[in-house]
Amino acid sequence: NAGVTQTPKFQVLKTGQSMTLQCAQDMNHNSMYWYRQDPGMGLRLIYYSASEGTTDKGEVPNGYNVSRLNKREFSLRLESAAPSQTSVYFCASSEISGNTIYFGEGSWLTVV
Amino acid sequence: DQQVKQNSPSLSVQEGRISILNCDYTNSMFDYFLWYKKYPAEGPTFLISISSIKDKNEDGRFTVFLNKSAKHLSLHIVPSQPGDSAVYFCAASDRKGDKFYFGSGTKLNVKP
Repeated sequence: NAGVTQTPKFQVLKTGQSMTLQCAQDMNHNSMYWYRQDPGMGLRLIYYSASEGTTDKGEVPNGYNVSRLNKREFSLRLESAAPSQTSVYFCASSEISGNTIYFGEGSWLTVV
Repeated sequence: DQQVKQNSPSLSVQEGRISILNCDYTNSMFDYFLWYKKYPAEGPTFLISISSIKDKNEDGRFTVFLNKSAKHLSLHIVPSQPGDSAVYFCAASDRKGDKFYFGSGTKLNVKP
């Protein structure tokens, strides 16, 4: 069972470059999320999509954009990467908003 | 300001003894709580949940207690095993249920 799959697992970017983190879930979940994890800060919500066709800002949306491509896929885009965006990014999904969420394995992003 | 706080960054316990991980929250609208366990280089995995209509939920060696008046929850692991060594996150969501807020995590070390 794949669950939540995110790519790439590791990426190094130069300041100002752009990139997209891809996420797909095979659990037929309605809601999907992007979190970032930083030391001492726990997991902070960047954007979420309560259902296909909707997206909303989380706690730390600045510098990011998202696309809910279909029910399965939810991508996170950094238009102009900054060193402050160096972090571990987790995609997650849940059957409906407010239910238990399931995480992918993480994407380690370094911006130099 | 963080709405979910885990004030102990680390905890060390002897194998076989009880581990108690604590979590405090500030938002009285929170009514659903989750605990996650995270190993290095992996995504968080769901452990146990509790809703505000209950004050205790048990699953094998894991028990979560909720004290709504104190806005406090705790996770008890009995008996603790070396394989329990990981970072534990608590999370909370409000009645709208759109998103979860996470604490900063407690790193548990269970010594053999």
